[in-house]
Amino acid sequence: QVQLQESGPGLVKPSQTLSLTCSVSGYSIGSASYYWSWIRQPAGKGLEWIGHIYTSGSTNYNPSLKSRVTISVDTSKNQFSLKLSSATAADTAKYYCAREYSNYLPNGDYYYYGFDVWGQGTTVTVSS
Amino acid sequence: EIVLTQSPGTLSLSPGDRVTLSCRASQSVSSSYLAWYQQKPGQAPRLLIHGTSNRATGIPDRFSGSGSGTDFTLTISRLEPEDFAVYYCQLYGSSPLHTFGQGTQLEIK
Repeated sequence: QVQLQESGPGLVKPSQTLSLTCSVSGYSIGSASYYWSWIRQPAGKGLEWIGHIYTSGSTNYNPSLKSRVTISVDTSKNQFSLKLSSATAADTAKYYCAREYSNYLPNGDYYYYGFDVWGQGTTVTVSS
Repeated sequence: EIVLTQSPGTLSLSPGDRVTLSCRASQSVSSSYLAWYQQKPGQAPRLLIHGTSNRATGIPDRFSGSGSGTDFTLTISRLEPEDFAVYYCQLYGSSPLHTFGQGTQLEIK
């Protein structure tokens, strides 16, 4: 059974870098096939995709956050990480890591299977 | 940027009711790229449907999805007490790569 667990400081000062790690168990990140995402949710609000990384290290970020986001992967530790620089109060949210899968079907069409495994989430508050 | 608009914002229903939730895209999208999630208070979202109409592993058959183009729906044929939650639709493949609707709150009447 694949499980994801977020960890990191619950409180970050404004202008500092928010850093979180997602530890994966039950599946080897190095096995490829999946993308590994970060998604956040301010209290009482909707979901915002931050970005993802593939095993190879290739990344894709939300353009609204791209200038401040870095996602990296450490296959030896079976973890992937999020760094969000220049944090402000607007970055206060619950942060989730999630696994996503997409692939080509036999007919050549590309198909998206969704975020099928999620961590429980960790709340980060940006405040002095 | 494609915007997903879910309606209604809140629905008050009773166990046993049938419900249809709407998700409308601001432009035509591939049905292969539309998913639905359920989120209960204090929990992470759970994948219900992918590819517009395909139930994820372990999802009961009272949940079904349909749609094409710009209009998509999630139907729960007979509400169980555990189905009262927030439901999000989600699109892959636009910019940003993943976009969520704002959610529909399903509450007990």
